[in-house]
Amino acid sequence: SQQGEEDPQALSIQEGENATMNCSYKTSINNLQWYRQNSGRGLVHLILIRSNEREKHSGRLRVTLDTSKKSSSLLITASRAADTASYFCATEDRGGSYIPTFGRGTSLIVHP
Amino acid sequence: SAVISQKPSRDICQRGTSLTIQCQVDSQVTMMFWYRQQPGQSLTLIATANQGSEATYESGFVIDKFPISRPNLTFSTLTVSNMSPEDSSIYLCSVGFRNEQFFGPGTRLTVL
Repeated sequence: SQQGEEDPQALSIQEGENATMNCSYKTSINNLQWYRQNSGRGLVHLILIRSNEREKHSGRLRVTLDTSKKSSSLLITASRAADTASYFCATEDRGGSYIPTFGRGTSLIVHP
Repeated sequence: SAVISQKPSRDICQRGTSLTIQCQVDSQVTMMFWYRQQPGQSLTLIATANQGSEATYESGFVIDKFPISRPNLTFSTLTVSNMSPEDSSIYLCSVGFRNEQFFGPGTRLTVL
């Protein structure tokens, strides 16, 4: 299995600004998923992007995937204080068992 | 989506004791996963639990320390045995459902 690595580790912005987080991985994948975790709680699945997709939208979220660079980005537009959380990417290896492996996450703080 | 509940949501335990965490899913699923998230860290997979067979443990985790039960397709338990302060973590169960991964709210364990 492999691990996604998020960048930056921490991000602090003002409400209304956009937040961009990046994820890099090492080998070929079937899909990549982004999750949010509010402080000390379970993970919430945000969006899944498959290896044959380049961009996906869900509300204020936009995810891109560049398989040639082995990277993905998560953009949160018009951020809100309620977006304050840790964001993780998880990859499912191509040819591996269907078990996502997680990076360390990006801690996002949105100031009201 | 799959809705997952965990019990207890949190506990404070004494060194040397054991705690059993329960995970209930509202849908029948083949595979259930148990993760550990140590403070400030990412999620680490402990084991995969399939109904009717023994759990498969990841490197660094053993059955004597983390026995798992999977009596049916909607329920699993993870026991943290002979606890030490290093076991203080959030423990999360997870299921794969329709190509997405869903997580329970987590159990926050503190070992004194």
